[in-house]
Amino acid sequence: KNEVEQSPQNLTAQEGEFITINCSYSVGISALHWLQQHPGGGIVSLFMLSSGKKKHGRLIATINIQEKHSSLHITASHPRDSAVYICAGPTGGGADGLTFGKGTHLIIQP
Amino acid sequence: NAGVTQTPKFQVLKTGQSMTLQCAQDMNHNSMYWYRQDPGMGLRLIYYSASEGTTDKGEVPNGYNVSRLNKREFSLRLESAAPSQTSVYFCASKGQGSFNSPLHFGNGTRLTVT
Repeated sequence: KNEVEQSPQNLTAQEGEFITINCSYSVGISALHWLQQHPGGGIVSLFMLSSGKKKHGRLIATINIQEKHSSLHITASHPRDSAVYICAGPTGGGADGLTFGKGTHLIIQP
Repeated sequence: NAGVTQTPKFQVLKTGQSMTLQCAQDMNHNSMYWYRQDPGMGLRLIYYSASEGTTDKGEVPNGYNVSRLNKREFSLRLESAAPSQTSVYFCASKGQGSFNSPLHFGNGTRLTVT
């Protein structure tokens, strides 16, 4: 079964700072997901990537398949970026579904 | 296009009571999932359905049953609720292509069992 670890667990930063959240996993995967959970509880999919880098607005996700590591970056962070960011990879072993990290709780202070 | 609709949003049960959480998606997705989210833990898979008429256990299935009524709907039933089932429950779906499709989540159900 895939083990997914995220760091840091909690991160507080000032508005405008460059943010990096890390995710490592134990089993080779075909794709890794980054999700955002809003303070109200809703979860949205941000990225799904299997190689290289993807960018959406101020969010950038990178993945290194050989090192089993992915990062989520936020440039010019803003208080509205405050949320829990979750990475997830396939569970493996033939099971459908994903194994989720515990999440990184990000607070951006004005 | 509503995406994934989950009801109810909140529920309080007494130990031993039963209830069904409803989930429906309008994206013609084959795969549907039920997860629970507890403080300090990642989302954990309870049951999933890879297609209409099939269901399979996930990581934490004990105490739950599911029903894939049709392609749109996937319900989760607690037959005899226990305090350990106090959690936030999320339904999700994704399209063909299994691992390489994005997940779409409902807004969650906050369940408290007293």
